[in-house]
Amino acid sequence: GAGVSQSPSNKVTEKGKDVELRCDPISGHTALYWYRQRLGQGLEFLIYFQGNSAPDKSGLPSDRFSAERTGESVSTLTIQRTQQEDSAVYLCASSLSRASYEQYFGPGTRLTVT
Amino acid sequence: AQTVTQSQPEMSVQEAETVTLSCTYDTSESDYYLFWYKQPPSRQMILVIRQEAYKQQNATENRFSVNFQKAAKSFSLKISDSQLGDAAMYFCAYQIRMDSNYQLIWGAGTKLIIKP
Repeated sequence: GAGVSQSPSNKVTEKGKDVELRCDPISGHTALYWYRQRLGQGLEFLIYFQGNSAPDKSGLPSDRFSAERTGESVSTLTIQRTQQEDSAVYLCASSLSRASYEQYFGPGTRLTVT
Repeated sequence: AQTVTQSQPEMSVQEAETVTLSCTYDTSESDYYLFWYKQPPSRQMILVIRQEAYKQQNATENRFSVNFQKAAKSFSLKISDSQLGDAAMYFCAYQIRMDSNYQLIWGAGTKLIIKP
């Protein structure tokens, strides 16, 4: 079946512009995670959605970052007034339920802020 | 706070030989999951193997096995009969449970080079 998809694959933007990154989870997966991966580093947790519950936003680095998810479908991560330190790969993962330990990852969006 | 440490930024191994990647973690929890993920240049994060902390038996998946030492908080990955396709970044991850949030805490990764 289809895996997690993300778009765009690559995004180059000018400092100060807003960007939107999209994640399509695996159908039926209720849990969705966003992670950030800076060059040469491991992943940092950003935000978690579970069904219709309030999201866990504890990993968002600043109020310039926000994310939405409608039900158990697509999620959008928005970064406002981008800064050069926002340059990274943004990875999305989904899992079957909140009790499921296995997360399935998308290919990520590489964001470059010039 | 939970942390994951991978002390080897890069490892290389001859094709067909065995290599071990190290990982240590810090936690006060008694029940948790540990994972090894592989990330090839395509960026796709692929699950290699997982270990439940309550299980004493080390997990194995074909050529991949772990040495889980709970008391020492160590979780190393052994790759036997290394193949060219094993070349990738390998990340060790610990799964914490905060309410219903099963987020992963990641190490910095080890780059594995396979020499033909």
